[in-house]
Amino acid sequence: RKEVEQDPGPFNVPEGATVAFNCTYSNSASQSFFWYRQDCRKEPKLLMSVYSSGNEDGRFTAQLNRASQYISLLIRDSKLSDSATYLCVVRDNTGNQFYFGTGTSLTVIP
Amino acid sequence: DTEVTQTPKHLVMGMTNKKSLKCEQHMGHRAMYWYKQKAKKPPELMFVYSYEKLSINESVPSRFSPECPNSSLLNLHLHALQPEDSALYLCASSQDPGASGVYEQYFGPGTRLTVT
Repeated sequence: RKEVEQDPGPFNVPEGATVAFNCTYSNSASQSFFWYRQDCRKEPKLLMSVYSSGNEDGRFTAQLNRASQYISLLIRDSKLSDSATYLCVVRDNTGNQFYFGTGTSLTVIP
Repeated sequence: DTEVTQTPKHLVMGMTNKKSLKCEQHMGHRAMYWYKQKAKKPPELMFVYSYEKLSINESVPSRFSPECPNSSLLNLHLHALQPEDSALYLCASSQDPGASGVYEQYFGPGTRLTVT
């Protein structure tokens, strides 16, 4: 069983749409959770850390449900510039290792 | 400053060559990582250094040899690579690996390696 499961998509949405990505993790003792964004042929860049109480940064909202071992990312009012691959990442309880989902591809269409 | 630097940006090498990839961070992070990434796949962990000691080797072939000369530097020595080793090699760092808390991982821009 994979440590982190993520729907690979692709998601093709019109500008202005709201889109949600989901991710589940297998280790209930996992410490911390993140969403990264990766543009084509570039490195992953941290989009948001995900806190237990949920957190928001502009059009982006991240949620964590520890009981269900589930993480989500909501993007409101999608922009063309949001087109990228979104990676769900979980840091294990030893603190040494980060586990990646397969990534979800998003294309925002004009 | 959350910068991780990597050199070179691009590298083409033959199967008999020896080359090295370099990574540097000045954020005081004590964990450093090498990942390999193929197109349309997530990064695949190769090595983890924690407090300058190798803590994880994900069964990587010996033609890849990591080195951590000090807390800011990480090298990956390459020798006798195969064409299937062509990929984007990413370095990353993270703060205080043993502590609990939300410690993010920061990536360098990567070295795009082509083995001919």
